[in-house]
Amino acid sequence: AQSVTQPDIHITVSEGASLELRCNYSYGATPYLFWYVQSPGQGLQLLLKYFSGDTLVQGIKGFEAEFKRSQSSFNLRKPSVHWSDAAEYFCAVEVLTGGGNKLTFGTGTQLKVEL
Amino acid sequence: DAMVIQNPRYQVTQFGKPVTLSCSQTLNHNVMYWYQQKSSQAPKLLFHYYDKDFNNEADTPDNFQSRRPNTSFCFLDIRSPGLGDAAMYLCATSRDSTSGNYEQYFGPGTRLTVT
Repeated sequence: AQSVTQPDIHITVSEGASLELRCNYSYGATPYLFWYVQSPGQGLQLLLKYFSGDTLVQGIKGFEAEFKRSQSSFNLRKPSVHWSDAAEYFCAVEVLTGGGNKLTFGTGTQLKVEL
Repeated sequence: DAMVIQNPRYQVTQFGKPVTLSCSQTLNHNVMYWYQQKSSQAPKLLFHYYDKDFNNEADTPDNFQSRRPNTSFCFLDIRSPGLGDAAMYLCATSRDSTSGNYEQYFGPGTRLTVT
């Protein structure tokens, strides 16, 4: 069965510093990977996705992620964090079911930004 | 803007009193999902509809039911809410995976409190 691990439950960075959030997945086939962001009391917003092709994907809000098959990782990065980036970040792997796509989420990383 | 709408945003119900949460979409997606997200946890898929076909997750309690009267609307019914059902309920939609890989679009969620 597929699974996603986000090893860091909480991360604190200073505004303007770089950020990397870790994500490792376990899935027997080609993974389809996502990063979502959730602000308090809100739904999930898609930051970026990897389906195939270039392993470095660009997303919204200046985020990027790199797919590394050899390490089963899909880490999220941002070169300079803004205070508004404080939120919870979820990595997810998608399983195709021949109709709907089922997402399995990691447990999330809570990002705090210090001014 | 095309979107996923959830009503109400906040719902308070009494222990054992049936409650219905609503989701509508203007994206014309044929797949709709319901997730349960408890505090500080990842979203957990309860079930999804592929058109009119209902797909229940194996570990979703019988207390949770769903209806999809048309493409645009989907309802989550909790027949006898317990204190453990207090959570954020997220609705999501996507195009079907038979024609490719597509991300899920999430609504803002309904926060359910059980008293």
